[in-house]
Amino acid sequence: GDSVTQMEGPVTLSEEAFLTINCTYTATGYPSLFWYVQYPGEGLQLLLKATKADDKGSNKGFEATYRKETTSFHLEKGSVQVSDSAVYFCALKGSDYKLSFGAGTTVTVRA
Amino acid sequence: EAQVTQNPRYLITVTGKKLTVTCSQNMNHEYMSWYRQDPGLGLRQIYYSMNVEVTDKGDVPEGYKVSRKEKRNFPLILESPSPNQTSLYFCASTKTSGRSYEQYFGPGTRLTVT
Repeated sequence: GDSVTQMEGPVTLSEEAFLTINCTYTATGYPSLFWYVQYPGEGLQLLLKATKADDKGSNKGFEATYRKETTSFHLEKGSVQVSDSAVYFCALKGSDYKLSFGAGTTVTVRA
Repeated sequence: EAQVTQNPRYLITVTGKKLTVTCSQNMNHEYMSWYRQDPGLGLRQIYYSMNVEVTDKGDVPEGYKVSRKEKRNFPLILESPSPNQTSLYFCASTKTSGRSYEQYFGPGTRLTVT
């Protein structure tokens, strides 16, 4: 079945540091890929998405590129802020409507 | 405003006492689902519904029931809660028209079963 493997956390960074969270997937066919963010005490928000190979999703300074050859969708941000402290989830949608999630990566940014 | 609402947001209960977590959406979506979130496991789908009176099991359905009598509501029922059902629960409503796919999550319900 579909599955997502996500870099284990927690990750602690200083402000303005570069952030990468690795995500790889296993799926049949051509899944859509997503990154969701969960701020403390809140629900999940869609951060960015990509629906086909080589697509780049971007939002709020975050980027991720759908790499079919490496089955990856790594999340990157060039300069993080304290407000980026959150839990980040990689997810995929296969042939049905269900989302399969990774375990989540907790990111803490220190001033 | 498009939204998914869940109630209650927090609940502490005892083993065996039946409870219902309500979920409602105002976007006229046909597809709705329930997930539970546990540390190190991400979110896992409990049940989903393709439309009114059409429900099916997700990945972790044991100990849960759902119903879909109206399009907007999709309650999650725990007939006899146990401590291993202590978790954070999310209801989701999904827009599936044409090639468009967007999933909207509720704010979450934190359940503790003692």
